[in-house]
Amino acid sequence: GAGVSQSPSNKVTEKGKDVELRCDPISGHTALYWYRQSLGQGLEFLIYFQGNSAPDKSGLPSDRFSAERTGGSVSTLTIQRTQQEDSAVYLCASSPRGGLAGEQYFGPGTRLTVT
Amino acid sequence: QQPVQSPQAVILREGEDAVINCSSSKALYSVHWYRQKHGEAPVFLMILLKGGEQKGHEKISASFNEKKQQSSLYLTASQLSYSGTYFCGTESPIVRNTPLVFGKGTRLSVIA
Repeated sequence: GAGVSQSPSNKVTEKGKDVELRCDPISGHTALYWYRQSLGQGLEFLIYFQGNSAPDKSGLPSDRFSAERTGGSVSTLTIQRTQQEDSAVYLCASSPRGGLAGEQYFGPGTRLTVT
Repeated sequence: QQPVQSPQAVILREGEDAVINCSSSKALYSVHWYRQKHGEAPVFLMILLKGGEQKGHEKISASFNEKKQQSSLYLTASQLSYSGTYFCGTESPIVRNTPLVFGKGTRLSVIA
């Protein structure tokens, strides 16, 4: 079946512009995660959606970052007034089980470059 | 609290064994292991849910020592396909239903 998809695969933007990154999770997966991965670094948690519960936004680095998940499926991560330090690969993952040790299926990521 | 992985990097020849450790300063409920090949997304390997639990995937196995708050990933008779960065993700028993906290990763290179 189809895995997690993300778009665009690459995005180059100018400093100060807003960007939107999209994630289509695996159908039926209730949990959805966004991570950021800088060159040679680990997976930095950003935000977590589980079903209809309020999202866990504890990982968002600043109020320039926001995300929503519509209809319990597609999610959009928005970065406003992008800065050069926002350059990274943004990974989305979904899981059939949230919270309780559910295995995560990652998308291919969006490589964001802020010039 | 981010778990600490060791070593940071290791180079093996085909057929050699390796151990990757993941340690936490806090009590653990579960440990997850993922492998990320260069330029690709991380791929799930296994979850260890109970102290003392051991699991295997191909010639890759792992153990979870709850008392020591650590997990070890064992790669036996390594193959070229094992190359990549291995991440552990940990879940706390105190704060449940929260996202995993991942370590910085261990870069494994297997050479012929």
